[in-house]
Amino acid sequence: GAGVSQTPSNKVTEKGKYVELRCDPISGHTALYWYRQSLGQGPEFLIYFQGTGAADDSGLPNDRFFAVRPEGSVSTLKIQRTERGDSAVYLCASSLLADSYNEQFFGPGTRLTVL
Amino acid sequence: KQEVTQIPAALSVPEGENLVLNCSFTDSAIYNLQWFRQDPGKGLTSLLLIQSSQREQTSGRLNASLDKSSGRSTLYIAASQPGDSATYLCAVGGGTSYGKLTFGQGTILTVHP
Repeated sequence: GAGVSQTPSNKVTEKGKYVELRCDPISGHTALYWYRQSLGQGPEFLIYFQGTGAADDSGLPNDRFFAVRPEGSVSTLKIQRTERGDSAVYLCASSLLADSYNEQFFGPGTRLTVL
Repeated sequence: KQEVTQIPAALSVPEGENLVLNCSFTDSAIYNLQWFRQDPGKGLTSLLLIQSSQREQTSGRLNASLDKSSGRSTLYIAASQPGDSATYLCAVGGGTSYGKLTFGQGTILTVHP
């Protein structure tokens, strides 16, 4: 079956603009995760959903970042008033359940560049 | 706050060598540990998942061990091949929620023919 997909693969925007990044998880996976990866670093956790609700949003850096998953499948990460420091690769992952037994499967990421 | 460290940061070996990548974590209260592979410009590929109650997992030429009490894991790669060249990331699950993985910075592996 299809893996996790993310669109767009690349996004270039100007400082101060609003962007939306989309994630399609593996079909049937109830848990969905967002991470951010800066160059040369490991991914950093942002938020995860169990179903439609955000179970842990402790990694969101500030209130410019927001994510939704209204129907428990596709998720959108929204960034308002983008700053140059937001430039990174945004990774999405999904798992069957959010527990210790289920591995997370990652998408290819969206590379965001803020000019 | 959980911190994950991977040593070495980079490793270059000739084809055919057996090698070990190291991962350490500061908080032993983890649920699991996962090793990933990342090719340049790509997402992460899961290699092995070890539950906190397990000591090791094996998949093909890969073997990962976990010593939870000492906060260490190793990834052993047997008979390395040029196709193994990639960045290897270690991540631990635990803390405030099951869903959150904390990653190390990775080990960049180059296997030359």
